[in-house]
Amino acid sequence: AQSVAQPEDQVNVAEGNPLTVKCTYSVSGNPYLFWYVQYPNRGLQFLLKYITGDNLVKGSYGFEAEFNKSQTSFHLKKPSALVSDSALYFCAVRTRYTSGTYKYIFGTGTRLKVLA
Amino acid sequence: GAGVSQTPSNKVTEKGKYVELRCDPISGHTALYWYRQSLGQGPEFLIYFQGTGAADDSGLPNDRFFAVRPEGSVSTLKIQRTERGDSAVYLCASSSGTGAFNEQFFGPGTRLTVL
Repeated sequence: AQSVAQPEDQVNVAEGNPLTVKCTYSVSGNPYLFWYVQYPNRGLQFLLKYITGDNLVKGSYGFEAEFNKSQTSFHLKKPSALVSDSALYFCAVRTRYTSGTYKYIFGTGTRLKVLA
Repeated sequence: GAGVSQTPSNKVTEKGKYVELRCDPISGHTALYWYRQSLGQGPEFLIYFQGTGAADDSGLPNDRFFAVRPEGSVSTLKIQRTERGDSAVYLCASSSGTGAFNEQFFGPGTRLTVL
């Protein structure tokens, strides 16, 4: 079965320190991977995606993610965290069915708290 | 530019009532998705439209749930005989296509509370 796992419910990091939010996936075929961020009372916002090519993907607000095929992971990273990065982060995988339709599967989310 | 809008932002109803939730996608976006997000969970896929037709409705939990997109733009999610377990935030998203490069743009959601 296709699935996405975010093993940490919450990640705390001090402002200025590097941050990592973990994501692993299980899909058949090539994975199309995404990260979204959700701020309070706002919709999910797209951060970055991996489709093909370079394993290190750069996205919005200084975030980047590394695709690791052997470990089936797509961890979100940022070299220096800001208090304003505090939010709920979702990893998602897009699967393609033989019928030609697509479906997104989201992880359960990781709450990031950046402490001043 | 205008993003995805959803109305109402909050809806409180009583068990057994009928509700309609509206989604207005980004102009020109052909693909539209509905998700349900319960507390502490990620968005759960419900249905997706390509144009006017439902390309995949496999996520609808039962026949009380139905969605339409008659003109290929605005979509309405309809829930009949609501139950307390239907309480959640219902998210709508649109994208400019279903190709792998097209990320989804999400609306702010409608918080449905069934008493």
